Amino acid sequence: GAGVSQSPSNKVTEKGKDVELRCDPISGHTALYWYRQSLGQGLEFLIYFQGNSAPDKSGLPSDRFSAERTGGSVSTLTIQRTQQEDSAVYLCASSLAREYQETQYFGPGTRLLVL
Amino acid sequence: QKEVEQDPGPLSVPEGAIVSLNCTYSNSAFQYFMWYRQYSRKGPELLMYTYSSGNKEDGRFTAQVDKSSKYISLFIRDSQPSDSATYLCAMYRSGNTGKLIFGQGTTLQVKP
Repeated sequence: GAGVSQSPSNKVTEKGKDVELRCDPISGHTALYWYRQSLGQGLEFLIYFQGNSAPDKSGLPSDRFSAERTGGSVSTLTIQRTQQEDSAVYLCASSLAREYQETQYFGPGTRLLVL
Repeated sequence: QKEVEQDPGPLSVPEGAIVSLNCTYSNSAFQYFMWYRQYSRKGPELLMYTYSSGNKEDGRFTAQVDKSSKYISLFIRDSQPSDSATYLCAMYRSGNTGKLIFGQGTTLQVKP
C-alpha cells in the first residue's frame, strides 16, 4: 500500500515568509509525528498527534511553529516568519497506535531552505 | 549533553567487512531501542527493534543492547555496497507519547 507522503519535496523561501508543509500518513494510522533533521544533527521530535489531538507539542522550537491535523489524517506544519535557522529536512512519520511502541513509518521529508 | 550520543563518522569499510555501529545514552528509562537506515534524500526506515537488554539477529544484522552500560550496537556482517547509508539509533521510554529520541547518525560507506 501507499506509504507516508509529504509535500512539497523541496521548498525555498525568503526569510520572514510563512510556509506550510503537508503530511499524508498511511491510511488507518492514528498516530502522527513531525521531526526535524538539521545538518549535522539527528532527528529532533517536534510534535505528536493522536487522532486530531496533539498531546505532546514539547518539541516545537518557538511559537512560530504550529501544526494541525484534520479528519485524523492529513497534517500541516506551519512555520511563520521563517528564519535561516529553520532550514532543515522536516520528516513526518505515522504509526498504527502509540501503545507498545508501534513502528513509525517515515515519509521522504520536505527540504526547507530559508534564504 | 545529548540524551543519545552517536559518532557521526564517516565510516568507510571494504566490501565483506564486519561493521560495528554504536550509541550510548544517559536516560536509564529507555526501554525500546531501534536502528534506522536512511539513504540519501530518503526517509529513515526501521532495520531492527529491540526491547530491553539482549541480542536480536536478522539476516546479516545483529542488534545488541546492554542496559547496564547504557550502550547499544548494530553489527553488519558481510557488508555490501548497498549498505552504504546513514544509520540512526533511536530510543523510546515506556509511558511516553511514542516520540523517538535519535542519535546523530553514523554515515557508512562500503567500498566494492
